[in-house]
Amino acid sequence: AQSVTQPDIHITVSEGASLELRCNYSYGATPYLFWYVQSPGQGLQLLLKYFSGDTLVQGIKGFEAEFKRSQSSFNLRKPSVHWSDAAEYFCAAANYGQNFVFGPGTRLSVLP
Amino acid sequence: NAGVTQTPKFQVLKTGQSMTLQCAQDMNHNSMYWYRQDPGMGLRLIYYSASEGTTDKGEVPNGYNVSRLNKREFSLRLESAAPSQTSVYFCASSERQGRDRGANVLTFGAGSRLTVL
Repeated sequence: AQSVTQPDIHITVSEGASLELRCNYSYGATPYLFWYVQSPGQGLQLLLKYFSGDTLVQGIKGFEAEFKRSQSSFNLRKPSVHWSDAAEYFCAAANYGQNFVFGPGTRLSVLP
Repeated sequence: NAGVTQTPKFQVLKTGQSMTLQCAQDMNHNSMYWYRQDPGMGLRLIYYSASEGTTDKGEVPNGYNVSRLNKREFSLRLESAAPSQTSVYFCASSERQGRDRGANVLTFGAGSRLTVL
């Protein structure tokens, strides 16, 4: 069955520190890959997406993600975290024309 | 540009009551979706509508009905609410992107928090 896993339920980092959120997928073929962010009480906002081509994808708010086929991973990174980045982050995947499969989410806390 | 608008934002029901969650999008998207979000479970698809006039079940359709009223509007109805339906509900719409236009990229509403007592 198709699945998306996010191994870390909760991560805490200090403001200014670097961040990496992990995402792994299990699909027969490489799916389209996405990262969404959800601030408290808000809907989900698209951070970035990978369709094909360059394996390093740039997104909004200074985020980037790297697709690694050999590891079935699509990890999200940010060089320097800001307090406003505290939120929940969802990785998602979808095959051609099919509906999304979401991971369970990783909650990010930022220490001042 | 409002995007995806959901109403109401908050609702408290008693077991057995009915209610309808409304959703409208102004992006001319063909596809619309209803998800529920529960702690530790990510988002689960309840129903979706690939185009006006069609609806299909998602992962967790039991206890829900939907209506795709027109291209803009997609409503979710709980006929007899149960405590297990306490959740945050998100409506989304999508457009096809990518060189092969095979990726349904979702745009979400702000959510509707439903509590069933």
